[in-house]
Amino acid sequence: RKEVEQDPGPFNVPEGATVAFNCTYSNSASQSFFWYRQDCRKEPKLLMSVYSSGNEDGRFTAQLNRASQYISLLIRDSKLSDSATYLCVVNPSGGYQKVTFGTGTKLQVIP
Amino acid sequence: DTGVSQNPRHKITKRGQNVTFRCDPISEHNRLYWYRQTLGQGPEFLTYFQNEAQLEKSRLLSDRFSAERPKGSFSTLEIQRTEQGDSAMYLCASSPGAGSSYNSPLHFGNGTRLTVT
Repeated sequence: RKEVEQDPGPFNVPEGATVAFNCTYSNSASQSFFWYRQDCRKEPKLLMSVYSSGNEDGRFTAQLNRASQYISLLIRDSKLSDSATYLCVVNPSGGYQKVTFGTGTKLQVIP
Repeated sequence: DTGVSQNPRHKITKRGQNVTFRCDPISEHNRLYWYRQTLGQGPEFLTYFQNEAQLEKSRLLSDRFSAERPKGSFSTLEIQRTEQGDSAMYLCASSPGAGSSYNSPLHFGNGTRLTVT
């Protein structure tokens, strides 16, 4: 089983739609979680951290389910500018920080 | 600009040649990471430094790859006897070190795109 797994997509959604991505992780002791956004041929950029109680940033909502070992990202009212690849990121516990990325989910918002 | 800086941005080399990339992290960050990314894949972990100490190295990394961070500041990644399969984007990232919580995100540089012909 991969350490971090994501549906690669692509997800093609119309403007204004709501779309959700899930990401599962294998290490139950993982401590922290993030969603990154990556535009074509650019470096990944932090979108938001994922907190245990769930958190929201404008149109974006992130949730963590430790029992089932998955995190999710919900995007409401999709914009054309949301088109990108969304990477799920997991930090392990303990003294090491081998931060692991999922393969990414590609989102294409269409007019 | 005090972000993570990587040089060069692009490198084209012939198979069999050696290449070296440089990364300058954010100055107050103790942790430095190297990742490799190919088209359609997420960044793949290569190695990680805490200050000058290389704490982890991916099993996927062959002995042709070596990374250093001699003074705990900038880092170099060297690939010896390059192969066409080494063609990828090489990303460097940094994050705060000791004293920070584990919930510290990585900050990436623009990457070095390597093409081996």
